[in-house]
Amino acid sequence: AQSVTQPDIHITVSEGASLELRCNYSYGATPYLFWYVQSPGQGLQLLLKYFSGDTLVQGIKGFEAEFKRSQSSFNLRKPSVHWSDAAEYFCAVGVMNYGGSQGNLIFGKGTKLSVKP
Amino acid sequence: KAGVTQTPRYLIKTRGQQVTLSCSPISGHRSVSWYQQTPGQGLQFLFEYFSETQRNKGNFPGRFSGRQFSNSRSEMNVSTLELGDSALYLCASSDAGSETQYFGPGTRLLVL
Repeated sequence: AQSVTQPDIHITVSEGASLELRCNYSYGATPYLFWYVQSPGQGLQLLLKYFSGDTLVQGIKGFEAEFKRSQSSFNLRKPSVHWSDAAEYFCAVGVMNYGGSQGNLIFGKGTKLSVKP
Repeated sequence: KAGVTQTPRYLIKTRGQQVTLSCSPISGHRSVSWYQQTPGQGLQFLFEYFSETQRNKGNFPGRFSGRQFSNSRSEMNVSTLELGDSALYLCASSDAGSETQYFGPGTRLLVL
């Protein structure tokens, strides 16, 4: 069965420090992978996505992620964290069939990021 | 383009009641998916509609239902509310043939 694991429930980093959030997936075929961010009381904002091609993808707000098929990972990175990055981050895999998207994203449990001044 | 909108943003109901939530997708998007978010279970897929047809359904009881109108607006209904239905309900839309979903702000439902 498809699944997404985010091993870190909560991470605290200092402002200006680098960030890496881990994501591992289990999926039988080439996955469609996403990272979303959620601020308290808000919906999900798409940060970036990977479908195929270059395994290093750039997103909004200075985030990037690298797809590593051999490790079934899609880790999110940012070189220098800002206080406004404090939020919850979700990794997701898109479930597909022969007809394309099934409109179903499987999410990890999320990683809450706190930023120290 | 305007984003995905959901109404109402907040709701308080009592056990046994029913509730209807509404979602307006991004203009031109024909697929609408619904998710339930709770602290314990995280984000779980409810169902997806495309061109007024339910194409996919998650593992939720029949009390959870939905529909989509010809203008792609969607509603979900929960009948006979239980305390455990308290959650943030998120709607997402996507363009035909696209795997990327764009989320609305959600409706926070509290069942007392």
